Amino acid sequence: GESVGLHLPTLSVQEGDNSIINCAYSNSASDYFIWYKQESGKGPQFIIDIRSNMDKRQGQRVTVLLNKTVKHLSLQIAATQPGDSAVYFCAENPGKLIFGQGTELSVKP
Amino acid sequence: NAGVMQNPRHLVRRRGQEARLRCSPMKGHSHVYWYRQLPEEGLKFMVYLQKENIIDESGMPKERFSAEFPKEGPSILRIQQVVRGDSAAYFCASSPNRANTEAFFGQGTRLTVV
Repeated sequence: GESVGLHLPTLSVQEGDNSIINCAYSNSASDYFIWYKQESGKGPQFIIDIRSNMDKRQGQRVTVLLNKTVKHLSLQIAATQPGDSAVYFCAENPGKLIFGQGTELSVKP
Repeated sequence: NAGVMQNPRHLVRRRGQEARLRCSPMKGHSHVYWYRQLPEEGLKFMVYLQKENIIDESGMPKERFSAEFPKEGPSILRIQQVVRGDSAAYFCASSPNRANTEAFFGQGTRLTVV
């Protein structure tokens, strides 16, 4: 079936560096995408979203890039902090959220 | 404006018992989604409901699982005759509209079947 997948299961970065988390999706009809952050023992927390009529969207320290040609989504976190350590999920929303497996981000002090 | 509220946060049931998980959506949200998450895995869609209607239950197991979202009160995910494989975290999300809108998640109910 249709699915959203992530390229890397784990990512380790140094505090202060930039982080890039990638995601591939397979449903070409999807026109809305969300990145969620999930800390241990908690529910997913909305980070940023993007619609298919956009290539890039920026938030506070985060940027999402969408490449519809290759069905690829990425989340960039600037100046990564220890508090950014969590599992990050991309999700597409063709009427219901379909989640990828997740990437665990670990920030080294 | 309170967020999505789920209760209980932790639930322990013996094999064969029933589990009832409750979800109160955010104020003004009439769309509710249930997801299941196993350790070290992503969230798997189970069911999508609107008030008094099941819109999409393509992720629900065919037996023992049911969900409702009555006109008044919280959404309920019900698991009958629980087995150890039902042990997981169950998350509820709500949104004001169906498609292309942000969904907000609750903190989940962690079900343990002993």
